[in-house]
Amino acid sequence: NAGVTQTPKFQVLKTGQSMTLQCAQDMNHNSMYWYRQDPGMGLRLIYYSASEGTTDKGEVPNGYNVSRLNKREFSLRLESAAPSQTSVYFCATKQGARPFVQYFGPGTRLLVL
Amino acid sequence: SQQGEEDPQALSIQEGENATMNCSYKTSINNLQWYRQNSGRGLVHLILIRSNEREKHSGRLRVTLDTSKKSSSLLITASRAADTASYFCATEVGGGADGLTFGKGTHLIIQP
Repeated sequence: NAGVTQTPKFQVLKTGQSMTLQCAQDMNHNSMYWYRQDPGMGLRLIYYSASEGTTDKGEVPNGYNVSRLNKREFSLRLESAAPSQTSVYFCATKQGARPFVQYFGPGTRLLVL
Repeated sequence: SQQGEEDPQALSIQEGENATMNCSYKTSINNLQWYRQNSGRGLVHLILIRSNEREKHSGRLRVTLDTSKKSSSLLITASRAADTASYFCATEVGGGADGLTFGKGTHLIIQP
C-alpha cells in the first residue's frame, strides 16, 4: 500500500522543454490535486480532478495542463517550461465525502534553467 | 491568494517546551486543518477542527478555533526533536471549487 506516489523525484529542464509529472494513488480516492510550493510559501492549487474524466482549474493553472487518465492516475504537463515554474510539485488525493482531509505524495522538485 | 497566514514564520524552542503557532484566515470556513511538512517531504494531516468546535485535542496537539476573530492556534506540548518541521493551516477553497488554500507556514525548530 504505497499511498500516493510521484515520479520523477527530481528533474532539471531547459527553458522551452516539455515534461509530464506523474501521480498515482492506490487509496481508491475520487479526487486528485496538483499543487506547487515555492520557497517560503504555502501550497497553491494548480488543477484538480473531482472524478475520472473531469478536471478543473485551481488558483495558478497558467502554463500547465492535466490529464486524469483513470481513477488511479493524474498527470501534470508543462508544455514549454519557464524558469518561473521552478518549484516543488505535490500531488494529493481526497475521499469524496467531507471532511476534506488530503493525502500528499512526496513531491517532485523541478528546476527550469 | 493565501487564505491563511501563520504566525510566527519561524520558532525555535528547547526540547520539552511547548510550541504555539497561530493562523489567521480571511473568509468564513466550514473547517480548518493543520498539516506538518518535514524537510523534503510531502504534507501530513495532523488535525481538523470544524467551525462549530472551539477546541480539539489529539495526543500532544491542541487546536483552538475562534471564528469571530478568524483565527486558530496549534499547541504542541512537551516538544520533541522529531517535531522539527513546518506547520501549515489550510482551509477549503470554497465558492463551489475544490481544493485547499494554505498559509505560508511556521517553521518550528526543536533544539536538543
